[in-house]
Amino acid sequence: NAGVTQTPKFQVLKTGQSMTLQCAQDMNHEYMSWYRQDPGMGLRLIHYSVGAGITDQGEVPNGYNVSRSTTEDFPLRLLSAAPSQTSVYFCASSPQGFQPQHFGDGTRLSIL
Amino acid sequence: GQQLNQSPQSMFIQEGEDVSMNCTSSSIFNTWLWYKQDPGEGPVLLIALYKAGELTSNGRLTAQFGITRKDSFLNISASIPSDVGIYFCAGPSRSNYQLIWGAGTKLIIKP
Repeated sequence: NAGVTQTPKFQVLKTGQSMTLQCAQDMNHEYMSWYRQDPGMGLRLIHYSVGAGITDQGEVPNGYNVSRSTTEDFPLRLLSAAPSQTSVYFCASSPQGFQPQHFGDGTRLSIL
Repeated sequence: GQQLNQSPQSMFIQEGEDVSMNCTSSSIFNTWLWYKQDPGEGPVLLIALYKAGELTSNGRLTAQFGITRKDSFLNISASIPSDVGIYFCAGPSRSNYQLIWGAGTKLIIKP
């Protein structure tokens, strides 16, 4: 009963590098989303998807790309990492967007 | 845009005390969700509220959906050390494609 699985759990990058954060869910949820959480702050939505082949921007999309080729997977790509992207990233899913979301355990990303 | 304001920002409490926190908005919400985040983990749903005036319990936790639909309250009775963490409120945006999140209430138990 995995739920939402995020990999890696920790990552250190140098400025300018690119990388992909992986997210997979096994609950057949249509809705998936990516958030970032900075110290002392709540969750800010980066991108979301209401189903395979459909993605849209959230509150803070700049510097990130997403795609949704399958229901299960929703990877987040950092195109050219910047120190301002140092954060904890959470992936979440739900049957539909307005329903309670299930979260992964997060990816802690540091950019030097 | 829609915003959720949580208060207090943080709370220092003694073990055994009751805790109250709230979430308010200038907009109407049709659903209120309360989550808890333990250190190093993702948020976990505690209680979901779907009807104005609704009062729902989950063990020592009780949450209420305000009758104006612009606020919600979470109470924890007889706090214990494992209650420490950050409590978030959330509600669906008008588009229903996004959840709007409060900034959280951090609960700290005094040694």
